[in-house]
Amino acid sequence: DAGVTQSPTHLIKTRGQQVTLRCSPISGHKSVSWYQQVLGQGPQFIFQYYEKEERGRGNFPDRFSARQFPNYSSELNVNALLLGDSALYLCASSSSSIAAVNYGYTFGSGTRLTVV
Amino acid sequence: GEDVEQSLFLSVREGDSSVINCTYTDSSSTYLYWYKQEPGAGLQLLTYIFSNMDMKQDQRLTVLLNKKDKHLSLRIADTQTGDSAIYFCAESRYNTDKLIFGTGTRLQVFP
Repeated sequence: DAGVTQSPTHLIKTRGQQVTLRCSPISGHKSVSWYQQVLGQGPQFIFQYYEKEERGRGNFPDRFSARQFPNYSSELNVNALLLGDSALYLCASSSSSIAAVNYGYTFGSGTRLTVV
Repeated sequence: GEDVEQSLFLSVREGDSSVINCTYTDSSSTYLYWYKQEPGAGLQLLTYIFSNMDMKQDQRLTVLLNKKDKHLSLRIADTQTGDSAIYFCAESRYNTDKLIFGTGTRLQVFP
């Protein structure tokens, strides 16, 4: 079985531009979460979607948005990019909506976004 | 608060045991996890422990939890060069949707 797949793997954008990152969860997983990992730090929670509904949102500005599609894949959009948005963006999927019963999510390899 | 803290760096000789430590602040944490991240890769779940447990052993990995002191540790027995990576502890809280990660500990194993 394929794991969590993310695309693209690397991306370079200019300040002020918009970017869309994509994630396909493990087959059968209905929950997708997004995390931002700035170099040298631990991942920070951005969003969680379950059954196409937003279930949680981290402390990120409104420039960040996401959605989940009927096939449970997800997109993360970031508008008006800033240099500080440069990071590894990780997607994680699970079968349940609650982390406490998930025994941890399964993470993808991430999309490396560089804003210049 | 949501701080989860780890020491930044650990260096051990191949064959020795490694102990990576983590402290967290929220007593409502339900599960605590250890993830491994190799260069250019995502996060790999190594093991987890429920907050009402003191210890969990899984092959070369031993997790110890001191809930009173909010201290979590990961012991890797017979550390190998392939164990070189960044290790993150993370917590989840009852009925929430997110994992809260520590800053990560870079483990370097030398021959």
